[in-house]
Amino acid sequence: AQKVTQAQTEISVVEKEDVTLDCVYETRDTTYYLFWYKQPPSGELVFLIRRNSFDEQNEISGRYSWNFQKSTSSFNFTITASQVVDSAVYFCALSEDERGGADGLTFGKGTHLIIQP
Amino acid sequence: EPEVTQTPSHQVTQMGQEVILRCVPISNHLYFYWYRQILGQKVEFLVSFYNNEISEKSEIFDDQFSVERPDGSNFTLKIRSTKLEDSAMYFCAKGTVQETQYFGPGTRLLVL
Repeated sequence: AQKVTQAQTEISVVEKEDVTLDCVYETRDTTYYLFWYKQPPSGELVFLIRRNSFDEQNEISGRYSWNFQKSTSSFNFTITASQVVDSAVYFCALSEDERGGADGLTFGKGTHLIIQP
Repeated sequence: EPEVTQTPSHQVTQMGQEVILRCVPISNHLYFYWYRQILGQKVEFLVSFYNNEISEKSEIFDDQFSVERPDGSNFTLKIRSTKLEDSAMYFCAKGTVQETQYFGPGTRLLVL
């Protein structure tokens, strides 16, 4: 069975600090996909990134970067120079490819990120 | 322009009543999904729908729930007899895991 663990329930930092959100996953499949979503106070789920299990290259998008390490089953998310607008709940999610997408995503419990001005 | 729209944005109902939540994907797609998020908790998969049939469903998706695509565009989730614990945000999503799953804005359901 697949599982996603986000051990950090809540993180509070001061604006302009860097912050890393941890995500550890479990799966028996060799082909799988990892996602990060942002849920601002308005409630919608905003897609941030998708990564497949064969692509371990780290990715950077502006102030956001992701570190995928299969050896530790982790897919961590770093925000550099945080801003108040980054305040949200961030979810890590996993899907196995075995059924071609039928199983949907398994989400972690989320990390509530608070950026203080 | 959003990939997926959902109606209504909010719904309040009495326990035991039937509710129908609607999802309109902007463009046609292979897979459609419903997810649920109880307030303050994680997002949970309910059901996937492929080629006008249920493809997979979770243990949450019991006989009280049903999905259909009645007119080839709208995608609906019906809860036959709502319970207090059905109060949650319900998200529709489209896509596949080989691509990206885009979520609608959600319907906030409150059962009194």
